[in-house]
Amino acid sequence: RKEVEQDPGPFNVPEGATVAFNCTYSNSASQSFFWYRQDCRKEPKLLMSVYSSGNEDGRFTAQLNRASQYISLLIRDSKLSDSATYLCVVNSRGGNEKLTFGTGTRLTIIP
Amino acid sequence: DVKVTQSSRYLVKRTGEKVFLECVQDMDHENMFWYRQDPGLGLRLIYFSYDVKMKEKGDIPEGYSVSREKKERFSLILESASTNQTSMYLCASFSGGTDTQYFGPGTRLTVL
Repeated sequence: RKEVEQDPGPFNVPEGATVAFNCTYSNSASQSFFWYRQDCRKEPKLLMSVYSSGNEDGRFTAQLNRASQYISLLIRDSKLSDSATYLCVVNSRGGNEKLTFGTGTRLTIIP
Repeated sequence: DVKVTQSSRYLVKRTGEKVFLECVQDMDHENMFWYRQDPGLGLRLIYFSYDVKMKEKGDIPEGYSVSREKKERFSLILESASTNQTSMYLCASFSGGTDTQYFGPGTRLTVL
C-alpha cells in the first residue's frame, strides 16, 4: 500500500463549482500534513498546511481526519486559475523536514 | 522571497556519462533535498542533507550520489547515467520557520 494515496483524476469542473479532493495516508504516526499545488511544467508550491482543527484560506478549506487517516481539500467558487495538480503531502518519517508526496490529483476548471 | 535555483532547465546526456545537477538556495536553510518526479509515481526522495557535508539516503538512492560542501549548494551526481534516469529532477530546501519546502524550477534530464 502506498504511504499517501490520491485519486489521480482528472477532475473537470465548471467554473464557479465546488470541488473536493481526498487523500489517505497509511502511517498513523504521521505528524504534519500539507497540500501543494503544481502547475504544468512548474515546481510544486505550498498551498496550505492542514491542521487538526481544520483551516480555511479564502476559497480553500483543508480538513484532517486522524481516525480515518485522510485529509481533504475543498475549493469553493472555482476559478480558471485553479487548474493545476494538487499534491497531498505527509510528514510520515519523523521530523518536519522529510515529506512523502502523493502522486497528485489533476484539476481542470472549464469555462 | 526564498529562491532555489537549479543549474539547468533541460539537459540531454548519453548513457554512461557522468552528470552533475546543481542546486543553490539563498535563505541559509540547513536542510536540502533532491527528488525525481515521474508520471504516475509522484515525487520520490533521492537524497537529502541536513548540514554541510552531511547526507542521508532517501527512498531511491541507487545510481546517485550527492555533495554538500557549502550550506547553500547541494549537488546531485549521476556517476554513470542510464536511460532509466531520464526524469524531472527537483531540488528543495526546507524552512523550519515556515515548515515549508521550497522547490527549484526543476531540471528535465534526458539520457539517450
